[in-house]
Amino acid sequence: AQKVTQAQTEISVVEKEDVTLDCVYETRDTTYYLFWYKQPPSGELVFLIRRNSFDEQNEISGRYSWNFQKSTSSFNFTITASQVVDSAVYFCALSEDSGYALNFGKGTSLLVTP
Amino acid sequence: ETGVTQTPRHLVMGMTNKKSLKCEQHLGHNAMYWYKQSAKKPLELMFVYSLEERVENNSVPSRFSPECPNSSHLFLHLHTLQPEDSALYLCASSTGTGVYNEQFFGPGTRLTVL
Repeated sequence: AQKVTQAQTEISVVEKEDVTLDCVYETRDTTYYLFWYKQPPSGELVFLIRRNSFDEQNEISGRYSWNFQKSTSSFNFTITASQVVDSAVYFCALSEDSGYALNFGKGTSLLVTP
Repeated sequence: ETGVTQTPRHLVMGMTNKKSLKCEQHLGHNAMYWYKQSAKKPLELMFVYSLEERVENNSVPSRFSPECPNSSHLFLHLHTLQPEDSALYLCASSTGTGVYNEQFFGPGTRLTVL
């Protein structure tokens, strides 16, 4: 069963719009970590953020912000005032105490047009 | 060189060929991973090495053979592959295999099997 669900396959926005990428996860572990990665056309996954299961504080880093809600098992990612350089595939991932793998969602392809 | 490097970046091979993918990390990490990224599918973990010992083999066919001669290098030896093995193969490394460790990825090798 898929442990991380990114329901949005593709999103297209115009530059300067705000956009939210959804991520819903499933785990029975009490200790786990959630991650977001960005994959530009070059292929390399770039680490964006890590959040542990005991810290539900939202985080903001420049134009990026993350909303972690255990009650709904969601870890959503918002880009404010999007830019063309934000165009990429974004992956949400779950790391559980019981395994080695990062369990990735299928990714959301974001296209920002001028 | 910094981060995680992979060679070659692109590889085309026939089903009877033998080839190897190379990964090198310059981060002083102790764990290394091979992932397979196919179109429209989540990243799939193939192998995990921790301190040069294989700790995870995720039901990968024997036509894929990993080798980790030291903590900085990881190889994936390929032989008698099938066209469905065409994918982006990503290498990653992390400080350890604990649940909190973010993984740093290389740019990948785009493999095409004819």
